[in-house]
Amino acid sequence: EVQLVESGGDLVNPGGSLRLSCAASGFSFSTYDMNWVRQAPGKGLEWVSSISSSSYIYYADSVQGRFAISRDNAKNSLYLQMNSLRAEDTAVYYCARRYSSGRFTHFDYWGQGTLVIVSS
Amino acid sequence: QSVLTQPPSASGTPGQRVTISCSGSSSNIGSHTVNWYQQLPGTAPKLLIYGNNQRPSGVPDRFSGSKSGTSASLAISGLQSEDEADYYCAAWDDNLNGYVFGTGTQVTVL
Repeated sequence: EVQLVESGGDLVNPGGSLRLSCAASGFSFSTYDMNWVRQAPGKGLEWVSSISSSSYIYYADSVQGRFAISRDNAKNSLYLQMNSLRAEDTAVYYCARRYSSGRFTHFDYWGQGTLVIVSS
Repeated sequence: QSVLTQPPSASGTPGQRVTISCSGSSSNIGSHTVNWYQQLPGTAPKLLIYGNNQRPSGVPDRFSGSKSGTSASLAISGLQSEDEADYYCAAWDDNLNGYVFGTGTQVTVL
């Protein structure tokens, strides 16, 4: 059974840093692209960042230069290092696996999310 | 800011058919397949439709998707109370080099 479990969410001051983790199990982690998606309170979904199986990395403009995505295939883990945090980064952060084959590309499995609150 | 536009809300009585539209552009829906996600209250999103009109295993055939040009639609036929949720369309965007979600539609069963 595929499982994605996020951790690391916390209350942090504006300008501070936080590192989120996503522990994956039940599939061959190294062969899948992985993503972070966030959802601010009462708002819609926003894609944050992706890292391919061969470590190509993409970021949303809203986090470019402040966030860094990485993966450790030996530990079946995905990470998101968040620096220079702002109030607008307050959200539930989801880890999501991306299935990509031919014309299909979609997020087929999601974690339960971890809450990040940026406030003084 | 979402680049895919959806109506904020939709509603129907049990058994009715509800459709949700999703409008994009040539760089996203016009060039890539559309996916739909269902988010029940207080839970993580779940893949509902992929590849414009494919249902993952376990998704009832009451849910169907379609795409034409730079727009897509999700239809729920035989609406049930458990279908009350937020629905999001999504697609890859070549201009942004990222995945874009729709603004989301809250479905209410009257």
